[in-house]
Amino acid sequence: KAGVTQTPRYLIKTRGQQVTLSCSPISGHRSVSWYQQTPGQGLQFLFEYFSETQRNKGNFPGRFSGRQFSNSRSEMNVSTLELGDSALYLCASCVGRGNTEAFFGQGTRLTVV
Amino acid sequence: QKEVEQNSGPLSVPEGAIASLNCTYSDRGSQSFFWYRQYSGKSPELIMFIYSNGDKEDGRFTAQLNKASQYVSLLIRDSQPSDSATYLCAVYTGGFKTIFGAGTRLFVKA
Repeated sequence: KAGVTQTPRYLIKTRGQQVTLSCSPISGHRSVSWYQQTPGQGLQFLFEYFSETQRNKGNFPGRFSGRQFSNSRSEMNVSTLELGDSALYLCASCVGRGNTEAFFGQGTRLTVV
Repeated sequence: QKEVEQNSGPLSVPEGAIASLNCTYSDRGSQSFFWYRQYSGKSPELIMFIYSNGDKEDGRFTAQLNKASQYVSLLIRDSQPSDSATYLCAVYTGGFKTIFGAGTRLFVKA
């Protein structure tokens, strides 16, 4: 069974640009959550999607957005990039509700210069 | 106050010893509790989950939950150098949101 796939693995962007990250969950998993990981801050919850609906959102500015498609694949978008957006972005999928095991992708390392 | 708090460490223990990792959480309505392990440069992977008060054992790992004290811990018996990693405590607070602590770095000395 294929795991969670995130693309691209690495990105370098310039301040002010926008970026789109992709996540394909494990087959049969309908819930996708996104996290931002930075040294010292741990994993910060961005948002969670289930059946194309955003069910919860973390405390991030509106520059961070996401969506989920009918095949459960999800994308997150960050507009007007800032230096502080440099981080590892992790996607996690689980079968249904958030009270079950989450399986993480390898992450996308975003560097904003 | 952070929603999920962990001591950042590093926690250093000799090989064969018991490593004790602790976590506190702020939301009394939290329902499910998880411990993930993250090796450097890798993604988190689940070690254990616990839903009810008390202890849950799985091999060398024991998770302990005390909802009254809003405290969850992970014990690693017979620690091995391969256990050296960052351990993340995660709490499902309901509302389709799982909150992670910042993690505790564990170093097991051979």
